Amino acid sequence: QVQLVQSGAEVKKPGASVKVSCKVSGYTLTELSMHWVRQAPGKGLEWMGGFDPEDGETIYAQKFQGRVTMTEDTSTDTAYMELSSLRSEDTAVYYCATDDYGDWGQGTLVTVSS
Amino acid sequence: QAVVTQEPSLTVSPGGTVTLTCGSSTGAVTSGHYPYWFQQKPGQAPRTLIYDTSNKHSWTPARFSGSLLGGKAALTLSGAQPEDEAEYYCLLSYSGARQFGGGTKLTVL
Repeated sequence: QVQLVQSGAEVKKPGASVKVSCKVSGYTLTELSMHWVRQAPGKGLEWMGGFDPEDGETIYAQKFQGRVTMTEDTSTDTAYMELSSLRSEDTAVYYCATDDYGDWGQGTLVTVSS
Repeated sequence: QAVVTQEPSLTVSPGGTVTLTCGSSTGAVTSGHYPYWFQQKPGQAPRTLIYDTSNKHSWTPARFSGSLLGGKAALTLSGAQPEDEAEYYCLLSYSGARQFGGGTKLTVL
């Protein structure tokens, strides 16, 4: 049984960066491929990127390329998503999920406000 | 970047049948897009119902089924229950990159 526990809510100013963590338990991170999805208030789901085990590389959605970095720390079984140059439109709940989307984190609210 | 299209809203009567569809701006949706279907209720994380076109998770109610229909991915709900009222999203894969549809708000009324 995989459990994904994300870091707490964040408030950031425009132009800043945010780093959201996703702690894996029940499995090791090396056994999983993690993806990140966000949802702005009242809006739909938006895929941000994820690890492609076939290529061994992380794929980012075109919209976020250059602004997002997804990393992993296998020593602590924790995945990270860092988004830079934040703007108000980045206010959203950010989710980590396994690449079969069978397991999701609880979500992390990131609020971007001056 | 491909655009994935879903009906914005649908209504089904309790006990009735409804089909939600998921189209792609690049052409017909095929099994190679590995279609997923998610259900999301207010304040909750999404929950996967269908993966790889028609496969169900252990928690997927039997009344939900996935298929390819007329060049689109389809989610059919047979015997709608009040608890099925939710937002439904499809997800398609494009050579590793993924794209969600805009979602369908399903009302059971």
